[in-house]
Amino acid sequence: DAGITQSPRHKVTETGTPVTLRCHQTENHRYMYWYRQDPGHGLRLIHYSYGVKDTDKGEVSDGYSVSRSKTEDFLLTLESATSSQTSVYFCAIRVQNYGYTFGSGTRLTVV
Amino acid sequence: QQQVKQSPQSLIVQKGGISIINCAYENTAFDYFPWYQQFPGKGPALLIAIRPDVSEKKEGRFTISFNKSAKQFSLHIMDSQPGDSATYFCAASGGSNYKLTFGKGTLLTVNP
Repeated sequence: DAGITQSPRHKVTETGTPVTLRCHQTENHRYMYWYRQDPGHGLRLIHYSYGVKDTDKGEVSDGYSVSRSKTEDFLLTLESATSSQTSVYFCAIRVQNYGYTFGSGTRLTVV
Repeated sequence: QQQVKQSPQSLIVQKGGISIINCAYENTAFDYFPWYQQFPGKGPALLIAIRPDVSEKKEGRFTISFNKSAKQFSLHIMDSQPGDSATYFCAASGGSNYKLTFGKGTLLTVNP
């Protein structure tokens, strides 16, 4: 996906450990979003950012925190991973007049 | 409260047929309605979008129909092809920060 990279692509972690997912963009867009995708639930917004150090909660933010210290990077942290956070996580950037561009996703498994 | 309701959950269509996916929304502040297409293992990709000042938008075989009074919009895929087999999401946004609220998705299978 042009201009947006997520890392890692896959991760397996143990319950109770902290996990950080990274979203990197190369195109200097202001708005960035973290979604999780689960069967039967579609895509649900976790957190979003509207500028450096400017973030806000989405509909499923409990257990997650975010940081954006640079325009290009938006980090999602699971404070203490639980099995309910096993999911596919997508980062998105808003491209003006075009809508969202999504990354390729991170598949996270909490065991 | 689910703000965007999408139906059906799954749809099977024969090659050459018309695929129709419907969405309904509740928030009258929504003013942007995109559809996304997602293939397995990939992120969603913008397919087509509409704003409420028009009732229909067509791009190739894909058409969005929009009914503002009923708060409903739908995606029509004409001459459906096996390559169209994917999951389709409707979404809506309005106001500042451009947050998108998604429907739960429709798994479309087009049989050859």
